[in-house]
Amino acid sequence: AQKVTQAQTEISVVEKEDVTLDCVYETRDTTYYLFWYKQPPSGELVFLIRRNSFDEQNEISGRYSWNFQKSTSSFNFTITASQVVDSAVYFCALSYYGGSQGNLIFGKGTKLSVKP
Amino acid sequence: SQTIHQWPATLVQPVGSPLSLECTVEGTSNPNLYWYRQAAGRGLQLLFYSVGIGQISSEVPQNLSASRPQDRQFILSSKKLLLSDSGFYLCAWSLAGETEAFFGQGTRLTVV
Repeated sequence: AQKVTQAQTEISVVEKEDVTLDCVYETRDTTYYLFWYKQPPSGELVFLIRRNSFDEQNEISGRYSWNFQKSTSSFNFTITASQVVDSAVYFCALSYYGGSQGNLIFGKGTKLSVKP
Repeated sequence: SQTIHQWPATLVQPVGSPLSLECTVEGTSNPNLYWYRQAAGRGLQLLFYSVGIGQISSEVPQNLSASRPQDRQFILSSKKLLLSDSGFYLCAWSLAGETEAFFGQGTRLTVV
């Protein structure tokens, strides 16, 4: 069965600190995709990144970076020099092919609070 | 560019009343469409998805139903709401064959 675990329910940091959000997944599929979404207080889910199971290269986008390790089934997300605007709930998700592509299994989210 | 519209933003309904939430997508054709629910303190749960007009797949048995009367329109309905239907409902779309989904702004439903 597919499952995504975000063990950190809430994290609080002070501005400019680095923070890493953990994500561990379970799947029997050999082909799958992993995602991170950001949910600001307004509620809309904002797509951040997609990673496929064949590409373990780490990715960096500005202050955001992602570390995908198949050996540990983890897809962690690091924010460098956090800012107050980074405060949001972050969801890690996994896609599977049991039905339509695009069906996502979400973790329960990590609420990040960045204090000035 | 593609946009997704979802309304209403908030809704308070009494138990036993009907429900209709609407979602439309602009700027793309034949998208895959999804309804997700986010209950308090829980992650997002896929309720329904559709790969075409009139084609609906249900992921979780429940008090809700979905319909897709037009290519870019997706409707979530209920004949009689339960207290447990309260939550944050999100509509999403993806391109056929693509995996990332793009979400609307959500509807916060409170059943009282």
